Amino acid sequence: KNQVEQSPQSLIILEGKNCTLQCNYTVSPFSNLRWYKQDTGRGPVSLTIMTFSENTKSNGRYTATLDADTKQSSLHITASQLSDSASYICVVTGGTNAGKSTFGDGTTLTVKP
Amino acid sequence: DVKVTQSSRYLVKRTGEKVFLECVQDMDHENMFWYRQDPGLGLRLIYFSYDVKMKEKGDIPEGYSVSREKKERFSLILESASTNQTSMYLCASSPRPSGGGYNEQFFGPGTRLTVL
Repeated sequence: KNQVEQSPQSLIILEGKNCTLQCNYTVSPFSNLRWYKQDTGRGPVSLTIMTFSENTKSNGRYTATLDADTKQSSLHITASQLSDSASYICVVTGGTNAGKSTFGDGTTLTVKP
Repeated sequence: DVKVTQSSRYLVKRTGEKVFLECVQDMDHENMFWYRQDPGLGLRLIYFSYDVKMKEKGDIPEGYSVSREKKERFSLILESASTNQTSMYLCASSPRPSGGGYNEQFFGPGTRLTVL
């Protein structure tokens, strides 16, 4: 069964600190992996998207890495801000035409002043 | 910018009522999706559609149906709402990938449905 597991489930850090979120998956065949940010009460918004041939991608202070051999990805947030408080969801898509995806349960990040 | 809109942000219905959730996207995307999101369960796919009048069951289709009469509009229907359908409902759309292209999904703001 295709699965996406994220860790930690929740994380609290101080403003200005860095943090790394993890995503392990068993989805096969693999097409791409995305990280989404979801603010409370809103829909997810895409941060990064990577295919199997890409092992790192940045979007401002967000940097995602992908190891397709070990089926692991991480999202590194640099110099965190209060606005980074949100749920971060890892999504892995298999090679289907309709783009059916498997979602992780998300990591809830709280950034405190 | 891609825009996916949903008809309501908050909705309260009674058990047994028929409920329609509407989703409209303005980017001419082929694929559209309906998810529900519950604490501790993440997003779960209810139905998706890869073309007008086409639909496919997702992981949890029971108790739901969908309609896609026009490319830009995808409706989720609860024929007889039940309390266990209280949830956040998210609609998404994506272009059909060509070759090895991306198929990023763009999400609407969500509808929080409460069934009493």
